[in-house]
Amino acid sequence: DADVTQTPRNRITKTGKRIMLECSQTKGHDRMYWYRQDPGLGLRLIYYSFDVKDINKGEISDGYSVSRQAQAKFSLSLESAIPNQTALYFCATSDPDRGDIQYFGAGTRLSVL
Amino acid sequence: GQSLEQPSEVTAVEGAIVQINCTYQTSGFYGLSWYQQHDGGAPTFLSYNGLDGLEETGRFSSFLSRSDSYGYLLLQELQMKDSASYFCAVRDQKNRDDKIIFGKGTRLHILP
Repeated sequence: DADVTQTPRNRITKTGKRIMLECSQTKGHDRMYWYRQDPGLGLRLIYYSFDVKDINKGEISDGYSVSRQAQAKFSLSLESAIPNQTALYFCATSDPDRGDIQYFGAGTRLSVL
Repeated sequence: GQSLEQPSEVTAVEGAIVQINCTYQTSGFYGLSWYQQHDGGAPTFLSYNGLDGLEETGRFSSFLSRSDSYGYLLLQELQMKDSASYFCAVRDQKNRDDKIIFGKGTRLHILP
């Protein structure tokens, strides 16, 4: 079983719909992250969380919200999806005592029509 | 501001050596990491430098110079399976702001 699991793996939706991407981890890490990847732009940080009560905005948080339901679960929501949110989304966890090495899920490919 | 610069593409021959450079500008530097991503896959951790110098892991090595805000990833004895994108990443830690910033990635093409 994967240490960091993302669901769904692929999703096609329409403009204006609300979408939730789920992430769960079995690594026991406190830190969790959501990234967005677009061709040629690398990985851009959307939100990150250091524990259940600590959630922080990344560089591109507009249009997104998150919920840290438990240490192992961190979900990303698009309240009203728009076409330029079409991208590959990655969840990651890290251990700050080990250089903050990031462990990524397999990704969710989202298309907004 | 915070930024990382790395070449967008590099081409090398199978069996050769290739170096991918990364320069960074951050408000609070804590360490430089490298990740590999194959097409359709997730980024996977390769190497981490917290201190100046060279770290070696098999065919891959990574170097850091904090005074020059510069690092590189060295891949030796290139194999076709090394064709992938490589990202440098910096842990930017200042006060309570502590996050990982990624470069835009270097696409490595390997010719037979």
